[in-house]
Amino acid sequence: AQSVTQPDIHITVSEGASLELRCNYSYGATPYLFWYVQSPGQGLQLLLKYFSGDTLVQGIKGFEAEFKRSQSSFNLRKPSVHWSDAAEYFCAVGARLEGSQGNLIFGKGTKLSVKP
Amino acid sequence: SQTIHQWPATLVQPVGSPLSLECTVEGTSNPNLYWYRQAAGRGLQLLFYSVGIGQISSEVPQNLSASRPQDRQFILSSKKLLLSDSGFYLCAWSSRVHEQYFGPGTRLTVT
Repeated sequence: AQSVTQPDIHITVSEGASLELRCNYSYGATPYLFWYVQSPGQGLQLLLKYFSGDTLVQGIKGFEAEFKRSQSSFNLRKPSVHWSDAAEYFCAVGARLEGSQGNLIFGKGTKLSVKP
Repeated sequence: SQTIHQWPATLVQPVGSPLSLECTVEGTSNPNLYWYRQAAGRGLQLLFYSVGIGQISSEVPQNLSASRPQDRQFILSSKKLLLSDSGFYLCAWSSRVHEQYFGPGTRLTVT
């Protein structure tokens, strides 16, 4: 069965420190891959996406993610975290199937806290 | 540009009362539409999706229903709310390219 695992439920980093959020997926083939961010009480905002090509993708707000096929991973990174990055982050995968309904499978999320 | 609206933003309803949440999308045609529920610590649960007017697929059996009376309108309903229906309800849309765009959400508290 398809699944997405975000092994870290909660991460705390200091402002200015680097960040890496982990995402592993279980899928029969290379899926479409996404990272979303959610601030408290808000909807989800798309940070970045991977469809094909360069395995290092750049997103908004200074985030990037790297697709590693051999590890079935799509980890999210940021070189220097800002206090405003405190939020919950969701990894998601979608099927590359002809006629797919476009449904996504989401991980359970990683909550990021930022220390001043 | 495309925008997605949800209302109401918050709602407090007694057990056994009906529910109607509305979602509308602007700036796109024939989108896929989705309803999710988010409970604390449980991530996003897909409830319904729709690929066109009157076409609804249910992912989870429950006392909720969905309808799509117009191309860019998606409604989530219940005839009788349960305590377990409390949560944060998110509507999303996508083109055929899979990335989904989310609305601001509705916080539902069933008392």
